[in-house]
Amino acid sequence: EDKVVQSPLSLVVHEGDTVTLNCSYEVTNFRSLLWYKQEKKAPTFLFMLTSSGIEKKSGRLSSILDKKELSSILNITATQTGDSAIYLCAVEEVKLVFGKGTKLTVNP
Amino acid sequence: KAGVTQTPRYLIKTRGQQVTLSCSPISGHRSVSWYQQTPGQGLQFLFEYFSETQRNKGNFPGRFSGRQFSNSRSEMNVSTLELGDSALYLCASSQPGREKLFFGSGTQLSVL
Repeated sequence: EDKVVQSPLSLVVHEGDTVTLNCSYEVTNFRSLLWYKQEKKAPTFLFMLTSSGIEKKSGRLSSILDKKELSSILNITATQTGDSAIYLCAVEEVKLVFGKGTKLTVNP
Repeated sequence: KAGVTQTPRYLIKTRGQQVTLSCSPISGHRSVSWYQQTPGQGLQFLFEYFSETQRNKGNFPGRFSGRQFSNSRSEMNVSTLELGDSALYLCASSQPGREKLFFGSGTQLSVL
């Protein structure tokens, strides 16, 4: 049974659109939730959210943690072709448990 | 500061063979984790090493093993390869007690 579920699995948008990626989790001892961007091979870190830091923003990207709903969203505004990637959500439960990712394609 | 380095980048093997993958963490990082990534399953945790000791292990058969050396470099070994072992194997390092992982570019393993 998957402990971290991401939706949608894939998404195709046009440049300039705003997208919202979802991540829900079910772990026993939640410590943190992390978002990564994977363009080719190496996932790169975007945000980490904890009980004491439930909202993060960096440029056009922002993320919110909903502790009550056990979920998080990643928002990307004014998308660009360079945002095309797989976005991974991971929850720390002793180790990082990853969702299957959302593949985002931004067309010109 | 150099990032996480994995070698080789690509590997082609046949069923029944064994393979060894290498990972050099970021300088100062003593924790190394390994993940298997396939299109259908996403990233699945293999194991984590800290100070030459395996701290956590995922749900993989005993054919998958690893080790860490005193300089924090790590290797993972897969014996008796199966077609289903074809995947991208990612290594990540972190500072002790920190959740944030820094990933290498992975080793793409193809089993024919």
